[in-house]
Amino acid sequence: DQQVKQNSPSLSVQEGRISILNCDYTNSMFDYFLWYKKYPAEGPTFLISISSIKDKNEDGRFTVFLNKSAKHLSLHIVPSQPGDSAVYFCAASRYNQGGKLIFGQGTELSVKP
Amino acid sequence: DTGVSQDPRHKITKRGQNVTFRCDPISEHNRLYWYRQTLGQGPEFLTYFQNEAQLEKSRLLSDRFSAERPKGSFSTLEIQRTEQGDSAMYLCASSLASGQNTGELFFGEGSRLTVL
Repeated sequence: DQQVKQNSPSLSVQEGRISILNCDYTNSMFDYFLWYKKYPAEGPTFLISISSIKDKNEDGRFTVFLNKSAKHLSLHIVPSQPGDSAVYFCAASRYNQGGKLIFGQGTELSVKP
Repeated sequence: DTGVSQDPRHKITKRGQNVTFRCDPISEHNRLYWYRQTLGQGPEFLTYFQNEAQLEKSRLLSDRFSAERPKGSFSTLEIQRTEQGDSAMYLCASSLASGQNTGELFFGEGSRLTVL
């Protein structure tokens, strides 16, 4: 049972343009969502998060949007840079689950110069 | 370096052998998590500790797997009688959390297991 899904395994974007990575979830009890970035041979690193009481959170070039009714979140990167090329994972958790994260399968972003 | 460290980074073993991985979390973090990641998939939760107490184990953690965090600091994950299906990246993460609040998880670089 895949509770968090990233249906696009890969995405290619031109430098300077917007990258939009999508994530869907099935469990309406999730109340906290995160995006992690992973470079080869490294562990995932935290990028940005959003609580279910919000619908948008912004941090520099990165913005996460949450649509609770659609059980959908997205990560926007503007402008995209070649250094953003990595695998991006969305993750979700529930308030009373001890911080345990449920991850999607990941989307590999390639930003072309 | 004060991040999460894992050892060894890569382990190659023969089927049927036992292996043990060690994780040293960020020193002030009270929660420690083990995840497994296979090719093309996201990390899958295995277990987590709050201080020395193991609070949850995934059904993925068969009886061949055991994890400990004896003094609430470092943790070990042991796999007995390894099978080829155990080949994966084993990730450790830690967080500082209070009560039921969710904190950001900080991951180590992982220990890659290859079972021949």
